Amino acid sequence: DAGVTQSPTHLIKTRGQQVTLRCSPISGHKSVSWYQQVLGQGPQFIFQYYEKEERGRGNFPDRFSARQFPNYSSELNVNALLLGDSALYLCASSLKQGANEKLFFGSGTQLSVL
Amino acid sequence: GESVGLHLPTLSVQEGDNSIINCAYSNSASDYFIWYKQESGKGPQFIIDIRSNMDKRQGQRVTVLLNKTVKHLSLQIAATQPGDSAVYFCAEPFSPGNTGKLIFGQGTTLQVKP
Repeated sequence: DAGVTQSPTHLIKTRGQQVTLRCSPISGHKSVSWYQQVLGQGPQFIFQYYEKEERGRGNFPDRFSARQFPNYSSELNVNALLLGDSALYLCASSLKQGANEKLFFGSGTQLSVL
Repeated sequence: GESVGLHLPTLSVQEGDNSIINCAYSNSASDYFIWYKQESGKGPQFIIDIRSNMDKRQGQRVTVLLNKTVKHLSLQIAATQPGDSAVYFCAEPFSPGNTGKLIFGQGTTLQVKP
């Protein structure tokens, strides 16, 4: 079975541009979460979606938005990119929202903002 | 606020030795903890978890110990192998019952010397 897949794997943008990152969860998984990982730090929670509804948002500005589609895939959008948005963006999926649900991560999209 | 932190940024061990990676947490109400392994170029991979009603849990070559009195947990890796070289993170849910929203520590880099 395929794991969590993310695209693209690498991306280079300039300040002020907009970016869309894509994620396909493991088949059958209905919960998708997004994390930002700055070099040398642990992942930081951005969003969680379950059954196409936002179920949580981390401490990120409104420039960050996301959505989940009927097939449970998800997109993360970042507008007006800043240099500080350069990071590895990780998508994770779980079967459902709740306790004891293991989170499976994709390999991430490496975003560089110049 | 809540935080999850690791004690050492880098741990270097000889192949075949046992490794111990430590983590401290601040929220005494935390009831679930997870250890992840992140290899270069990959997303975090679930290793083992433990609930607060347990003091110890064992997996294949790994053991997690939880000391609720001092709010400390550790990951022990037996007979460390070169393939264990990675960054290790402890994590806990933002709120009980939802493992899609996790707080990660800063990570400890484990280097295995041949």
